[in-house]
Amino acid sequence: NAGVTQTPKFRVLKTGQSMTLLCAQDMNHEYMYWYRQDPGMGLRLIHYSVGEGTTAKGEVPDGYNVSRLKKQNFLLGLESAAPSQTSVYFCASSYSARLNYGYTFGSGTRLTVV
Amino acid sequence: AQSVTQPDIHITVSEGASLELRCNYSYGATPYLFWYVQSPGQGLQLLLKYFSGDTLVQGIKGFEAEFKRSQSSFNLRKPSVHWSDAAEYFCAVGGDTGFQKLVFGTGTRLLVSP
Repeated sequence: NAGVTQTPKFRVLKTGQSMTLLCAQDMNHEYMYWYRQDPGMGLRLIHYSVGEGTTAKGEVPDGYNVSRLKKQNFLLGLESAAPSQTSVYFCASSYSARLNYGYTFGSGTRLTVV
Repeated sequence: AQSVTQPDIHITVSEGASLELRCNYSYGATPYLFWYVQSPGQGLQLLLKYFSGDTLVQGIKGFEAEFKRSQSSFNLRKPSVHWSDAAEYFCAVGGDTGFQKLVFGTGTRLLVSP
């Protein structure tokens, strides 16, 4: 089925380790987003991209880096993981700059940093 | 900047009873409003959206929401709740001009009792 695929689904990291979360969409969407979800705080935007080769900071970008080398992929990197980055990470994509079509979300990556 | 308030963290409803989840937004212009549902361990699924026109919008799974500009509200309703409706519900707001990012509320967790 067409949609947004996130890998991995679960991961446990030790403090200081690095990792990359992959988001792939096959809907030819121009816009992609990374959110983190924490209890009582809803979804907060980390970084987003308005097209291939572009990235921009969201609400909570510190400690994360992103890349959008191919239109269909949006990577989220943690260079030196910290326990505060324990969270559920969601990727989303959208067809238009405007919100008419809403966002399509992946199923999430649950990350634990110990 | 836009913001969303979902004042209820948890709500418990008996199966078959009616449901209303509250959402208040802050946005200076015409808002685009959304309700998403997240089942346990799953991503976010769009329930319904409002852009303009009829202020009562129908969504999937028997849900509806009413936009009230005077109250800055977009409450979600369902006349008869099923056990499968137990999930977390997120209200989100965005704007109607240029590139817009969705801003999410903190969510309301719905519990359904037998």
